[in-house]
Amino acid sequence: AQKITQTQPGMFVQEKEAVTLDCTYDTSDPSYGLFWYKQPSSGEMIFLIYQGSYDQQNATEGRYSLNFQKARKSANLVISASQLGDSAMYFCAMREIDTGNQFYFGTGTSLTVIP
Amino acid sequence: NAGVTQTPKFQVLKTGQSMTLQCAQDMNHEYMSWYRQDPGMGLRLIHYSVGAGITDQGEVPNGYNVSRSTTEDFPLRLLSAAPSQTSVYFCASRRPGGNEQFFGPGTRLTVL
Repeated sequence: AQKITQTQPGMFVQEKEAVTLDCTYDTSDPSYGLFWYKQPSSGEMIFLIYQGSYDQQNATEGRYSLNFQKARKSANLVISASQLGDSAMYFCAMREIDTGNQFYFGTGTSLTVIP
Repeated sequence: NAGVTQTPKFQVLKTGQSMTLQCAQDMNHEYMSWYRQDPGMGLRLIHYSVGAGITDQGEVPNGYNVSRSTTEDFPLRLLSAAPSQTSVYFCASRRPGGNEQFFGPGTRLTVL
């Protein structure tokens, strides 16, 4: 079974609008971390936001927030007030803290911001 | 502070050739990892290390070797390159207990 599932291969959003990128995960480890990375066309991987499984509140970093729904095993990324520079690939990832040090990545969502 | 560096940026090999992808970090991070990125597949873990002298296999280790003689360096060796190893390779590091994983700029490898 896939550890991380991103079901949206591509998304479009109007500039200045908000957009939600979906991510579901699968783990039996009670202790885990969830991550979102951005990969622009230049290729580098940029860390955006982190959510721990025991964190009570949703993580926020500037225009990025993580909508963490533990019972549904979902960790959606919300980008508010989209900018043209947000056009990129976005990857959701998970690390199972008790069972190892491996990171598992989803297949990514390509976001295009339309002017 | 250069972060995570990788060399070379681009490489073309013929089937059967060997080569080493270099990775170095100057943040004194104990944990280092190698990933490959293929279209539609996301990043998949090849090998990782939790400290000098300690390495372990990830999701797709076949055809690759690693060693970790120092904290700073974590080279990835392809002993006999195959076309299936055509990919973009990323090295990453983090400190124990740290949440953020720092990535290098990647190496684009083509095997003909």
